[in-house]
Amino acid sequence: DAGVTQSPTHLIKTRGQHVTLRCSPISGHKSVSWYQQVLGQGPQFIFQYYEKEERGRGNFPDRFSARQFPNYSSELNVNALLLGDSALYLCASSFRTGGGQETQYFGPGTRLLVL
Amino acid sequence: GDSVTQMEGPVTLSEEAFLTINCTYTATGYPSLFWYVQYPGEGLQLLLKATKADDKGSNKGFEATYRKETTSFHLEKGSVQVSDSAVYFCAWVSGSARQLTFGSGTQLTVLP
Repeated sequence: DAGVTQSPTHLIKTRGQHVTLRCSPISGHKSVSWYQQVLGQGPQFIFQYYEKEERGRGNFPDRFSARQFPNYSSELNVNALLLGDSALYLCASSFRTGGGQETQYFGPGTRLLVL
Repeated sequence: GDSVTQMEGPVTLSEEAFLTINCTYTATGYPSLFWYVQYPGEGLQLLLKATKADDKGSNKGFEATYRKETTSFHLEKGSVQVSDSAVYFCAWVSGSARQLTFGSGTQLTVLP
């Protein structure tokens, strides 16, 4: 089975531009989460979506937004890019078991460089 | 607040040495605990997990035991290989929050 896929793999933008990152979850997974990983640090939670509804939001400015589509794929949008937005953006998908447990499986990430 | 504290790296070991990477957490409720591994230039891979106290997660020779009394989830491997060189992240998720909270990562380098 295919894992979580993300596109593009790499991206270079300039300050002030807008970017859209895409994620396709593992088949059967209805939840998608987005994380930002700055070089040398652990990932930081940005958003989580379940069944097209936002289920959680991390401490990120309103320049960050996301949505989930009927096929459970997701987009992360970042407006008015800043140099500090340069990072690896990770998407994870998960499903909830009958016991209420969820395990998140990550994609390879999109590496964004803002110049 | 809720957090994960990981042993600081980098850690450098010789092949076949014993590995311990310490992880302690501060969380409300009864979190599930995870270790993820990140190889150079890649995303995160789930290494192992434990969902309740005294559970032992294991995979590829790595083990970690959920110790509620010490709020710890230390990662161990009896004999490391060069191919284990990577960054290791401890993380937890609580039933209410559902998002992962990660430690800062521990860089492991294994020399032949």
